[in-house]
Amino acid sequence: QSVLTQPPSVSAAPGQKVTISCSGSSSNIRNNDVSWYQQLPGTAPKLLIYDNNKRPSGIPDRFSGSKSGTSATLGITGLQTGDEADYYCGTWDSEGYVFGTGTTVIVL
Amino acid sequence: QVQLVQFGAGLKRPGDSVKVSCLASGFTFNRYALHWVRQAPGQRLEWMGRINAGNGYTEYSQKFLGRVTITRDTSASTVYMEVSSLTSEDTAIYYCARDLYSTFDYWGQGTPVTVSS
Repeated sequence: QSVLTQPPSVSAAPGQKVTISCSGSSSNIRNNDVSWYQQLPGTAPKLLIYDNNKRPSGIPDRFSGSKSGTSATLGITGLQTGDEADYYCGTWDSEGYVFGTGTTVIVL
Repeated sequence: QVQLVQFGAGLKRPGDSVKVSCLASGFTFNRYALHWVRQAPGQRLEWMGRINAGNGYTEYSQKFLGRVTITRDTSASTVYMEVSSLTSEDTAIYYCARDLYSTFDYWGQGTPVTVSS
């Protein structure tokens, strides 16, 4: 099964910005919209970004998404301690839905 | 409000089957597809399959084809996911999630399944 590749972790101080990359291929990201999910410790995932760059109601504009070619990026500005979580990208592939390898955001 | 509440799980023996249910409320059940996703300890999310709650059409990840069965009961607004021939590698938290235009907008709370002798 195809896998979307993310960095294992990113870190920054409170108030700073982090970006998380999601690298895929022509069978997934290039031809399909990307979503991003936030998973706080011990909880279910939560939708953060859909259709590459749209935020569901209630998600602050500190979170943003973009896509180019076979890669997508999640940005978090004004980092807060409550943002410490695992983040997963996801999209459809020829074999079904695929998730990224996951990135842990660490607030220093 | 939209809610997905899961039931089932617990400790299973290798070779057993497990059936997890997902009770939906707050939306018109048969207008959506529902998915099952699992997460082994310390691992990434893994898509298992989905069901169209309206017509019952199912689609499975190749990895789980033949060992996972997803069904629904429209009168109970509930989706079920059964995994057979369990091994220790099936130890995971199992989630149901609602499909909204190819994204998962609401998730159940998760159901832990432990497979151990």
